[in-house]
Amino acid sequence: AQSVTQPDIHITVSEGASLELRCNYSYGATPYLFWYVQSPGQGLQLLLKYFSGDTLVQGIKGFEAEFKRSQSSFNLRKPSVHWSDAAEYFCAVGRNPTGTASKLTFGTGTRLQVTL
Amino acid sequence: SQTIHQWPATLVQPVGSPLSLECTVEGTSNPNLYWYRQAAGRGLQLLFYSVGIGQISSEVPQNLSASRPQDRQFILSSKKLLLSDSGFYLCAWSGLANYNEQFFGPGTRLTVL
Repeated sequence: AQSVTQPDIHITVSEGASLELRCNYSYGATPYLFWYVQSPGQGLQLLLKYFSGDTLVQGIKGFEAEFKRSQSSFNLRKPSVHWSDAAEYFCAVGRNPTGTASKLTFGTGTRLQVTL
Repeated sequence: SQTIHQWPATLVQPVGSPLSLECTVEGTSNPNLYWYRQAAGRGLQLLFYSVGIGQISSEVPQNLSASRPQDRQFILSSKKLLLSDSGFYLCAWSGLANYNEQFFGPGTRLTVL
């Protein structure tokens, strides 16, 4: 069975500092990997995704993530954090056994706090 | 462009009462539809998904059921709510062209008292 681990429950960074959120996955085949962001009381917004090809993927809001197969990781990074980035971030791995419907397995999330 | 709506936004229900949450998608045809539950301090758990009208797959045994009476409508129901049904319920859709990418609705906050 597939699983996703986000080892950091809560991270606090200063505005302007760099950010890295960790994500490790367990999956038997080539994974489809995603990062979503959730503001309090809101739905999830897709930040970026990895399906294949270049292992460094760019997303919205200045985020990027790097797929490292040898480490089973898909860490999210941002060079300079803004106060508006404070939210909860979820890593997910997708599987589509039927070929038509994907199923996402989510990590438990990392809550990011940004200090001014 | 595509949009996804969920109704209601918040709901407080007594234990033992019925439940009906609605999700509708606009701007696309024949989407895959999903229901997730997010419990406090936990990630999202996939409850149901549907690849077409009347086609429902359940991921976990529970007190809830799902139906898809129309192509772009997905309903989550219960005959008798339990305290453990409290949570944040999210609906999502994915398209045929890129079925691995899911787009989420704004969610429904359900509190069972």
